[in-house]
This record gives sequence, structure tokens and C-alpha cells, in this order.
Amino acid sequence: EAGVAQSPRYKIIEKRQSVAFWCNPISGHATLYWYQQILGQGPKLLIQFQNNGVVDDSQLPKDRFSAERLKGVDSTLKIQPAKLEDSAVYLCASTVAMQAYNEQFFGPGTRLTVL
Amino acid sequence: DAKTTQPPSMDCAEGRAANLPCNHSTISGNEYVYWYRQIHSQGPQYIIHGLKNNETNEMASLIITEDRKSSTLILPHATLRDTAVYYCIVRTSNTGNQFYFGTGTSLTVIP
Repeated sequence: EAGVAQSPRYKIIEKRQSVAFWCNPISGHATLYWYQQILGQGPKLLIQFQNNGVVDDSQLPKDRFSAERLKGVDSTLKIQPAKLEDSAVYLCASTVAMQAYNEQFFGPGTRLTVL
Repeated sequence: DAKTTQPPSMDCAEGRAANLPCNHSTISGNEYVYWYRQIHSQGPQYIIHGLKNNETNEMASLIITEDRKSSTLILPHATLRDTAVYYCIVRTSNTGNQFYFGTGTSLTVIP
């Protein structure tokens, strides 16, 4: 079974530039999550989708971050404009459904460096 | 929000059992305990989860106390490849059954 795919793996940009990350979840997984992991910390949830609808985006800085999952499969996370404090690893995860007994599967992440 | 407490770091000799503790004293009756680990530069990897009973799989065992206020992850024969940060997570039963990660335990397996 193929895992969660993410691209790019690494990205370096200057502050005030824009950047986008892509995630392809495991086939058949209805729930998709984006996390931000700052160095030395655990992952922090940014947004959760159920199919193509948003379940929770309360932690997403909506003035600069946006995410979509238009067809309920792939998802993109965008930052516009980036700030220095956005330097982090952005992780995508998916699960077959939202029930508490379903484990999440994580992708390898995209490491963003903002200069 | 993390609802769990773990020691920041632990060492374990290669070949020995690694016992990683976690306190979750405010856990609710329908909340699961999950364990993930994260090896450097990789995404978190699922290890095991449980509700009330002890669980075992090919990677580890999970021992949950009867009052469910704490648990222990056991890696029966630690290898150098088990060196990682281990996260104990209580899966909240609020909207979306989300995970809240703390800072985890950094386990170093020593040759």
C-alpha cells in the first residue's frame, strides 16, 4: 500500500514570497490533516478535512495560510506571504475515517526555510 | 492541550527492553491512548494504540493502568534503529477526534 506522498521535500524562499505544498493521501482515506512542526516541538494541527469539507481550521493563520482539497483527494497548503517564523516542517497525514480508533498515517513532510 | 506528560529524554541499552512512561490523568472514558515515534527527518510513525486493555503488536506492547491515568510503551528488545522521539497522545473526543502532540520523549539506544 502506497503511503502519504508530499512534495516538494525541501523548499527555501525569502520572506514575503509565496509557497505551496502538495499532499496525496492514502487511497480511500477520507480525512486529511496538515500539521506544522517547528524544530524541537511536536506537530501542531493546522487544518483538518473530511472529504472536501473543512472540519477544523481554528489553528490556521488565515491571514496568510490557506488550504484546499477540492475533489476530496489531493490537498494543497499555501502560505502567502511567508514570514521568518513559518520556517518549519509541514506534515500531511490521512486516516480512513475520523473515528478515534483509526490511526493517522503521516507523509515525510516538506521542510520550509524562510530567509 | 496535549493532556499528556512524558519525560523529555531516556537512554536504553541495545537489546534491553525500553519502557517509556506517560501520564494522562485527565483522560476521558472514550479517549484512546496512541503512541507514535519520529525518527530524525521523517514523519511520525504509528506504533500502537489502546482504550482500556493492554495491547501488543509486532512493534511494541502498550500497558494501560486500570484507572487509565497512565500508560507505558514497551519496546521489548531495543535496537539502534529505535532511537527516536516517542509521542504519547490522548486522542480527544472533540470535533474531528484530533491528535494533540506534546514534546515527547527522546529515546537514545546505546550500543
